[in-house]
Amino acid sequence: GENVEQHPSTLSVQEGDSAVIKCTYSDSASNYFPWYKQELGKRPQLIIDIRSNVGEKKDQRIAVTLNKTAKHFSLHITETQPEDSAVYFCAARSYNQGGKLIFGQGTELSVKP
Amino acid sequence: GAVVSQHPSWVICKSGTSVKIECRSLDFQATTMFWYRQFPKQSLMLMATSNEGSKATYEQGVEKDKFLINHASLTLSTLTVTSAHPEDSSFYICSAPDRDTQYFGPGTRLTVL
Repeated sequence: GENVEQHPSTLSVQEGDSAVIKCTYSDSASNYFPWYKQELGKRPQLIIDIRSNVGEKKDQRIAVTLNKTAKHFSLHITETQPEDSAVYFCAARSYNQGGKLIFGQGTELSVKP
Repeated sequence: GAVVSQHPSWVICKSGTSVKIECRSLDFQATTMFWYRQFPKQSLMLMATSNEGSKATYEQGVEKDKFLINHASLTLSTLTVTSAHPEDSSFYICSAPDRDTQYFGPGTRLTVL
């Protein structure tokens, strides 16, 4: 089955700097890659996603890149703000596996004012 | 976006009792729903896929007789934790896909004394 590895587990940046979180996946049949932001005690919220027919997608300060050949994808947050502090999860989905999402281990992002 | 609700938001029970958690898709129909468990500072671990009108599909290592799943309608899935023990204490989150996007419920914090 699918396995998703996420790095780093913790990331601390200064306000205004950029943050990059990387994930790799194992199942070449995976074709959908969402990123979720989870604040303490709350539900994961979708912040951006990318499909396998696209290499890059951007939404304001957030961008995601996908390298299908290398089976890795990354989340880029520019001009970070304290409210970006949260745990971020990448995930991968393969329609071969009933459409279920497999999550990475999570990255705790801390943005210091 | 679509809305998924969960009830209760938190529950405390005695060891050996059973607890039922409801997951509802409020403004869309979901033939499939997913149940996750999340321990503190850990990722979301998929427990099972709930299928409307048929048996749930459990992930490896998840006891189907302990975690009973019923998906009786297109908007409701229930997870019953039977004979709960302290090690079952966790954050249980459901999700449901609306088109390509998976939406999460707010989660249920279960504490077993």
